Amino acid sequence: SQQGEEDPQALSIQEGENATMNCSYKTSINNLQWYRQNSGRGLVHLILIRSNEREKHSGRLRVTLDTSKKSSSLLITASRAADTASYFCATARGGSQGNLIFGKGTKLSVKP
Amino acid sequence: DSGVTQTPKHLITATGQRVTLRCSPRSGDLSVYWYQQSLDQGLQFLIQYYNGEERAKGNILERFSAQQFPDLHSELNLSSLELGDSALYFCASSPGQGGQPQHFGDGTRLSIL
Repeated sequence: SQQGEEDPQALSIQEGENATMNCSYKTSINNLQWYRQNSGRGLVHLILIRSNEREKHSGRLRVTLDTSKKSSSLLITASRAADTASYFCATARGGSQGNLIFGKGTKLSVKP
Repeated sequence: DSGVTQTPKHLITATGQRVTLRCSPRSGDLSVYWYQQSLDQGLQFLIQYYNGEERAKGNILERFSAQQFPDLHSELNLSSLELGDSALYFCASSPGQGGQPQHFGDGTRLSIL
């Protein structure tokens, strides 16, 4: 079953613009992770934010986490055509069970 | 390159058949995870192995089974295949048991005719 729900399902922007994707989840978590998937390829880990963190940055990526609302957002600043991909949030409960529960993803298209 | 190797890349077979998908985890990673990705179900967790032992089970059908060998590579066996089993099957690995970033292979695309 899906844990996360990304919003929007699809996003089309111009190069240089910022892209914001949102994710909501249902149960308590240990951490939340964002992944990128280029068409037909495997997922690539982007960033992990722990449940006791509110914001995290990595290069052009900024992630926020609001555990009271069970939601997270991923901001990509100054987007590039190479950022075109699907983006997924995934939640981890921690402990000995390491599986991630993925949302359905946001398909981002960045036009040059 | 994630360091996770999956073979074969593509597999075409018929209903009722059995196939084996293979995964070699990133060097040093002890956990292997299997996921199924389809258009209607999205990314579904199937099963996790840690250092040869089953650790967690997700939405894995009884017709599916997996194992992790002493050299840490893993195989996912799918039997009595149905049209609905057509999907991308991903293997991922991580160093420890839980909650860490996972490194994904490029998947095996299974097509059932």
